Amino acid sequence: NAGVTQTPKFQVLKTGQSMTLQCAQDMNHNSMYWYRQDPGMGLRLIYYSASEGTTDKGEVPNGYNVSRLNKREFSLRLESAAPSQTSVYFCASSEGSSGNQPQHFGDGTRLSIL
Amino acid sequence: EDQVTQSPEALRLQEGESSSLNCSYTVSGLRGLFWYRQDPGKGPEFLFTLYSAGEEKEKERLKATLTKKESFLHITAPKPEDSATYLCAVQLYSSASKIIFGSGTRLSIRP
Repeated sequence: NAGVTQTPKFQVLKTGQSMTLQCAQDMNHNSMYWYRQDPGMGLRLIYYSASEGTTDKGEVPNGYNVSRLNKREFSLRLESAAPSQTSVYFCASSEGSSGNQPQHFGDGTRLSIL
Repeated sequence: EDQVTQSPEALRLQEGESSSLNCSYTVSGLRGLFWYRQDPGKGPEFLFTLYSAGEEKEKERLKATLTKKESFLHITAPKPEDSATYLCAVQLYSSASKIIFGSGTRLSIRP
């Protein structure tokens, strides 16, 4: 039972490069989320998808785009990476579409932008 | 402004020494409050959900409580394996995407 799987686990980019972080869940959950976690700060929501085909901005969406490819997969794209985007990125999923169900997290992607 | 504050930032206890972690919130409308445990290099792991003031949930050595302004995570007779960062998060009524996490309490239990 894999739960939420994120790839890659680690990545180093140069400023201006682009990349896509992948996330897949096998729990048949409706909602999926992307967060970033920085030292001394709480998890901050980047984007949210309540169901297949829908996405909404969270607290810190600038510089990111997302795609809800199907019910299982939710990807996060950095079009032109900046040093301020150095962070640990977590994907999560939850059963309902209303946001009041507990979230299940992957183990993160550690991203460094030089 | 909606805010979630956790205290203390870090706590070191001796094995068996009980204590409490605090999560205070100032939000426009609380739909639910969640507690998570996060181990180094891992994603947060769900512990509890609390929906209304007066509610309590228990799991092994952990008990979570909720009032109108704060939540406590009580740890009774902790063991070294309870060492982790504990996060609280609040879900607001205003939007399904409005989820605010606290910055966490790093708990260390010495044998």
